Amino acid sequence: AQSVTQLGSHVSVSEGALVLLRCNYSSSVPPYLFWYVQYPNQGLQLLLKYTTGATLVKGINGFEAEFKKSETSFHLTKPSAHMSDAAEYFCAVSDNARTGGFKTIFGAGTRLFVKA
Amino acid sequence: NAGVTQTPKFRVLKTGQSMTLLCAQDMNHEYMYWYRQDPGMGLRLIHYSVGEGTTAKGEVPDGYNVSRLKKQNFLLGLESAAPSQTSVYFCASRRPSRGETQYFGPGTRLLVL
Repeated sequence: AQSVTQLGSHVSVSEGALVLLRCNYSSSVPPYLFWYVQYPNQGLQLLLKYTTGATLVKGINGFEAEFKKSETSFHLTKPSAHMSDAAEYFCAVSDNARTGGFKTIFGAGTRLFVKA
Repeated sequence: NAGVTQTPKFRVLKTGQSMTLLCAQDMNHEYMYWYRQDPGMGLRLIHYSVGEGTTAKGEVPDGYNVSRLKKQNFLLGLESAAPSQTSVYFCASRRPSRGETQYFGPGTRLLVL
């Protein structure tokens, strides 16, 4: 069975500081990993994803994440936080079973606060 | 393209009442999903569909039914609402290939009194 653990339900950073949101996963098969962002009163939208190939993945709005198989991690980073980054972030892992609809397991989410 | 739309945006029900949530997508996606989002629990899969006329149970299907009569629409029904079904409901769709992105609707906030 697959699972996702996001460390820290709330993270607070100052504007201009490094953003680091942690995600660890468990999967018995090669995982497909995603980071989604949710702004207040909106649906989720994709930030970035890892499927195969390069383990450092770049996404929108300056975010990137690195897939580390040995650590079963997929942490999200951004060098310099902006006020507009304040949102909730979800790490997710998808299975590769077409018959199962490629079900996705989501972490509990990390709310990012950015202080001026 | 409107993407994924959901109606209604907000609804208040009394315990025991029924309602249907509608999800529509204009991206010709084969796969569609219904999730519920509760504080501290992320998104949990209720039901999903891998094509017109097919549906399957997800992680938390009890108390819900679904139908996919048309490829573009995925309906979620609550036959007898309970306070435990107070939540935000999200619909999503995607293409049927490995590693594809899910596209989410804006959500429906449901309050069951």
